[in-house]
Amino acid sequence: SQKIEQNSEALNIQEGKTATLTCNYTNYSPAYLQWYRQDPGRGPVFLLLIRENEKEKRKERLKVTFDTTLKQSLFHITASQPADSATYLCALLPHTDKLIFGTGTRLQVFP
Amino acid sequence: EAQVTQNPRYLITVTGKKLTVTCSQNMNHEYMSWYRQDPGLGLRQIYYSMNVEVTDKGDVPEGYKVSRKEKRNFPLILESPSPNQTSLYFCASSASGRMDTQYFGPGTRLTVL
Repeated sequence: SQKIEQNSEALNIQEGKTATLTCNYTNYSPAYLQWYRQDPGRGPVFLLLIRENEKEKRKERLKVTFDTTLKQSLFHITASQPADSATYLCALLPHTDKLIFGTGTRLQVFP
Repeated sequence: EAQVTQNPRYLITVTGKKLTVTCSQNMNHEYMSWYRQDPGLGLRQIYYSMNVEVTDKGDVPEGYKVSRKEKRNFPLILESPSPNQTSLYFCASSASGRMDTQYFGPGTRLTVL
């Protein structure tokens, strides 16, 4: 069956460290992958998009990698801050289907 | 300010009492959709609309209706709500379709007793 998996356990890290979140998928042929941030009680907010033929994308302190061989995307936040605490969702767009969202990983950055 | 608005933000109702959740966007987007978000299941698409008068089912359409009479509005209708429709609902829009960045509304928390 087709699945997108994100670590359901919260990730707790210290301020200033790099946070790394994982998105794994099976049985999809993705055209591209997106990452969103969701704060409690709010709608998701788009952060980054990476296409299937791209290995890495950066935006300020954010970096996304996409390995279609491993069927995995990694989302990095460098020099993390308490304000980065939120749930991060990955969303995959297969070539022939609609956008599919993962369940999200909650990141907690403590001082 | 470019945004997607939803109303109401919170709603408690009883089984069988018809309700409508409104969604409006001011970005002239063609594509709009509705999602529900449940713990452990993530965001699941209910219905989407490619343009005015064009709507189609998503992954979990049972028990819901939508309409797209104007480009900016995409209401979600529950004709006879049931407790299993208790959820957090999000409306989203994008410029031209599923491939574009989705802009989400603030969410509507619905409880059906």
